[in-house]
Amino acid sequence: QQQVKQSPQSLIVQKGGISIINCAYENTAFDYFPWYQQFPGKGPALLIAIRPDVSEKKEGRFTISFNKSAKQFSLHIMDSQPGDSATYFCAASNAGTYKYIFGTGTRLKVLA
Amino acid sequence: GAGVSQSPSNKVTEKGKDVELRCDPISGHTALYWYRQRLGQGLEFLIYFQGNSAPDKSGLPSDRFSAERTGESVSTLTIQRTQQEDSAVYLCASSLSAGRPETQYFGPGTRLLVL
Repeated sequence: QQQVKQSPQSLIVQKGGISIINCAYENTAFDYFPWYQQFPGKGPALLIAIRPDVSEKKEGRFTISFNKSAKQFSLHIMDSQPGDSATYFCAASNAGTYKYIFGTGTRLKVLA
Repeated sequence: GAGVSQSPSNKVTEKGKDVELRCDPISGHTALYWYRQRLGQGLEFLIYFQGNSAPDKSGLPSDRFSAERTGESVSTLTIQRTQQEDSAVYLCASSLSAGRPETQYFGPGTRLLVL
């Protein structure tokens, strides 16, 4: 019940295309859902996060869509660029606590 | 300092040896976290420090793992009698306080290889 399932494991997208990464959870107590971006040799960096009181959050080319009834959330990268090539992790936690449950990661490659 | 720093960046050791990994958090950050990242897997919580409170050690996989932190400064993660399954990237993160998980800042990690 503590797992966060992330798919796909890897993704190849043409420059200018839309990248979509999906995550699903079981624990209904989760109420904070961040996405992290990790470049090779670097630590993960917070990209965007959402709480379940909204169904969508957009920051520039990055959008989180949240479906509370389905217990699913996804990251959409619009107009994908080669510089977006990285590993993306979704996570979930109870807001105000320090424990994140991370997905297994998606390695995104955007072709020039 | 600009961010969280970790040392060494890479460590190769022989099975059975002890290793010590170091984390320097961002100045002023009271909360510090250690994670393990195995190849192809997500981040696995190991231990958490908040100020002078007792640490949350619930994620440590065995008694071979231990960590210390003096006040709100440097932390060290020690792995005794290393095993090959300990090979992973060990990530440290810090945040201003535990009540704001969105402000966790990660270091670059220490890549540990146990031969």
